[in-house]
Amino acid sequence: KAGVTQTPRYLIKTRGQQVTLSCSPISGHRSVSWYQQTPGQGLQFLFEYFSETQRNKGNFPGRFSGRQFSNSRSEMNVSTLELGDSALYLCASSLTTGATDTQYFGPGTRLTVL
Amino acid sequence: AQTVTQSQPEMSVQEAETVTLSCTYDTSESDYYLFWYKQPPSRQMILVIRQEAYKQQNATENRFSVNFQKAAKSFSLKISDSQLGDAAMYFCAPGYTDKLIFGTGTRLQVFP
Repeated sequence: KAGVTQTPRYLIKTRGQQVTLSCSPISGHRSVSWYQQTPGQGLQFLFEYFSETQRNKGNFPGRFSGRQFSNSRSEMNVSTLELGDSALYLCASSLTTGATDTQYFGPGTRLTVL
Repeated sequence: AQTVTQSQPEMSVQEAETVTLSCTYDTSESDYYLFWYKQPPSRQMILVIRQEAYKQQNATENRFSVNFQKAAKSFSLKISDSQLGDAAMYFCAPGYTDKLIFGTGTRLQVFP
């Protein structure tokens, strides 16, 4: 089975712009979770989608949003980018909702905001 | 609040030796699982081992095993016969019904 894929792998944006990141889960997985990894804050949970519905949300501002399509692929959008949004964004997929099921991670998207 | 503590920012081990990485967590949840992930320089997060909190038996996966002490909320990872490829950041992560909570990580160096 193919693993979790994320596109693009690298992005450079300027402050004030918006960005969309994409995540394709492992075939058959219906849950996609997003995490932000920074040197200062470590790994933090953004949100989770299951069957096209946001099930859980972390403590991030409304500039961070996402959605999931009927094929379980998910997109994450960040609007009005700030310097502090520079991070590695990881998505993970699992069979069921929540984090008691094993989550398998993609390679990440490295976002740099200038 | 749910917290995770990895008190060893860095550890080193010689090839073929054994090393133990520590992790403690705090939660009032009763339904949770515990995971160890490794993140090599490629930044790909790779599952190492998983432990169901309701099981008393410690999980084992080849050279990797855990020492799970539920009452003490402790979940350490033992790597036996260390290999150069084990060098990475290791994250302890309790998984609850809504999300994984990651520790700050332990950087493991393996020397030949």
